[in-house]
Amino acid sequence: AQSVTQLDSHVSVSEGTPVLLRCNYSSSYSPSLFWYVQHPNKGLQLLLKYTSAATLVKGINGFEAEFKKSETSFHLTKPSAHMSDAAEYFCVVREYQSGTYKYIFGTGTRLKVLA
Amino acid sequence: ETGVTQSPTHLIKTRGQQVTLRCSSQSGHNTVSWYQQALGQGPQFIFQYYREEENGRGNFPPRFSGLQFPNYSSELNVNALELDDSALYLCASSSQLAGPEQYFGPGTRLTVT
Repeated sequence: AQSVTQLDSHVSVSEGTPVLLRCNYSSSYSPSLFWYVQHPNKGLQLLLKYTSAATLVKGINGFEAEFKKSETSFHLTKPSAHMSDAAEYFCVVREYQSGTYKYIFGTGTRLKVLA
Repeated sequence: ETGVTQSPTHLIKTRGQQVTLRCSSQSGHNTVSWYQQALGQGPQFIFQYYREEENGRGNFPPRFSGLQFPNYSSELNVNALELDDSALYLCASSSQLAGPEQYFGPGTRLTVT
């Protein structure tokens, strides 16, 4: 079975400084991995996805993530945080189980951006 | 291209009642998944529908049931509501032809009193 662990429940950064949100996964297969963002009282928006192509994946709003198989990691980064980045971020792994794909969510990381 | 829509946006029910939540999938998507997101938690997979059949289920009791219609829209039904069913219910649509990612609706906030 696959699972995903988000290593930090809360991260605080100053505006204009780099963002790092950490995610580790366990997988028996070559996984599909995703990062989603959720602003307060909103649904989830796809930031980026990894599907066994390039290991460095670029997403929307300046975010990117690097798939490292040796470290079973898929950390999300952004060079310079903006106030609008304050939100909850979820790392997701897609698992093939019993004939269907299921999406396993991490517990989330709340990003706070300080002025 | 029309995104995923859900109705209603908010709902208040009493313990023991039944509720139906609705979801319209993104244009061209034939698979719909439902998730429950309790306050401060990540979304938990309830079940998935593909071609009007349930083809995957998470760890939820049978009082959580669903339907998918020929136009790929879907309903989530919850019977005998419990206080712990209070949550944000998210619908996501996808299509294998379009890629592995899911696209989420804005959710329905259910409060059970």
